[in-house]
Amino acid sequence: EPEVTQTPSHQVTQMGQEVILRCVPISNHLYFYWYRQILGQKVEFLVSFYNNEISEKSEIFDDQFSVERPDGSNFTLKIRSTKLEDSAMYFCASSEAQGKYFGPGTRLTVT
Amino acid sequence: DAKTTQPPSMDCAEGRAANLPCNHSTISGNEYVYWYRQIHSQGPQYIIHGLKNNETNEMASLIITEDRKSSTLILPHATLRDTAVYYCIVRVAHNAGNMLTFGGGTRLMVKP
Repeated sequence: EPEVTQTPSHQVTQMGQEVILRCVPISNHLYFYWYRQILGQKVEFLVSFYNNEISEKSEIFDDQFSVERPDGSNFTLKIRSTKLEDSAMYFCASSEAQGKYFGPGTRLTVT
Repeated sequence: DAKTTQPPSMDCAEGRAANLPCNHSTISGNEYVYWYRQIHSQGPQYIIHGLKNNETNEMASLIITEDRKSSTLILPHATLRDTAVYYCIVRVAHNAGNMLTFGGGTRLMVKP
């Protein structure tokens, strides 16, 4: 069964550094998303991406964040200058129709 | 999207049916009911969705009341691997790109 994959599974970075989280969505899906979950809190929407552009974004998704689909398979989330409060699980998801399919997540730890 | 209310936690015996309720009294006519679950630290997993008819798939059944103000997700024979947080989400489904708004969900504990 096709699945969304994410790399790395765990990323440790120092405050102020740039990180890129990578995702490979399911191949025939057209909609891509990033969500995050701070430890012990709810899953929060960050951004959705369709037709090579952002279709919706939350207040969390400020100028420090950017997304890109650099080729036909990868979908990336970049955080330019990480803060301690960016520490969270970051989930990529993709969808074709109704259900969204989430990846296993990348645990980002900012020290 | 309409607000949903779910009990914070439930227990279920292994092998028995787990019935997870959800209230969505302000649901509008074009909003669907979606269920997702999140097994500890994993990504959310889509389970099922419906508009007004009852739905069944290989994972679960979804029963929606006639007035659509509440629904029940049924796991017919719960296993230990069904221990997870279950989220009931109401949203308009015409655009697959719509974001999901996760609430607190119901933490289901399946016990041997």
